[in-house]
Amino acid sequence: KAGVTQTPRYLIKTRGQQVTLSCSPISGHRSVSWYQQTPGQGLQFLFEYFSETQRNKGNFPGRFSGRQFSNSRSEMNVSTLELGDSALYLCASSLGGLADTDTQYFGPGTRLTVL
Amino acid sequence: AQSVTQLDSHVSVSEGTPVLLRCNYSSSYSPSLFWYVQHPNKGLQLLLKYTSAATLVKGINGFEAEFKKSETSFHLTKPSAHMSDAAEYFCVVSETSGTYKYIFGTGTRLKVLA
Repeated sequence: KAGVTQTPRYLIKTRGQQVTLSCSPISGHRSVSWYQQTPGQGLQFLFEYFSETQRNKGNFPGRFSGRQFSNSRSEMNVSTLELGDSALYLCASSLGGLADTDTQYFGPGTRLTVL
Repeated sequence: AQSVTQLDSHVSVSEGTPVLLRCNYSSSYSPSLFWYVQHPNKGLQLLLKYTSAATLVKGINGFEAEFKKSETSFHLTKPSAHMSDAAEYFCVVSETSGTYKYIFGTGTRLKVLA
């Protein structure tokens, strides 16, 4: 079974731009969660989507948004980029999602650099 | 509220010696606990998972962890370190109550000396 895939793997943007990251979950998984990883803040939960609905949300500003499609693929969008948004963005998929304390399987991440 | 504390930010061991990475958790309910490993520039890989079955959990690559409710601990161990074990390790707690979240510890960077 193919693992979680994320595209692109690397991105360089400038302040004020917007960016869209993509995540394809493991086949059959309906939950997709997004995390931001930085050296200073560690791993922080952004949001979770399950069956095309946002089910959980972390403490991030509204510039961070996401969506999930009917095939469970998910996209994350960050608008009006700031230098502090430079991070590794990780996507994780699971069968039932966080509500079932299901095991999450992580993708390799997208490294976003904001200049 | 749930939380997780990894007691050491860095651990160094010699190759062939035991590994101990410490994790304490706080949870109002029966938690699920996980250990993940992250190699440089890679995503997180699941090492093992505890979900209220056996308290001693065996994972991949010779790692195991013991759930001790009385000590609220879930320490990760390995009898003999290998150079390829050098990575960052994350302890995670999750519980099915209220808002559902996966809470990560701050990570322990394991260095293996030749």
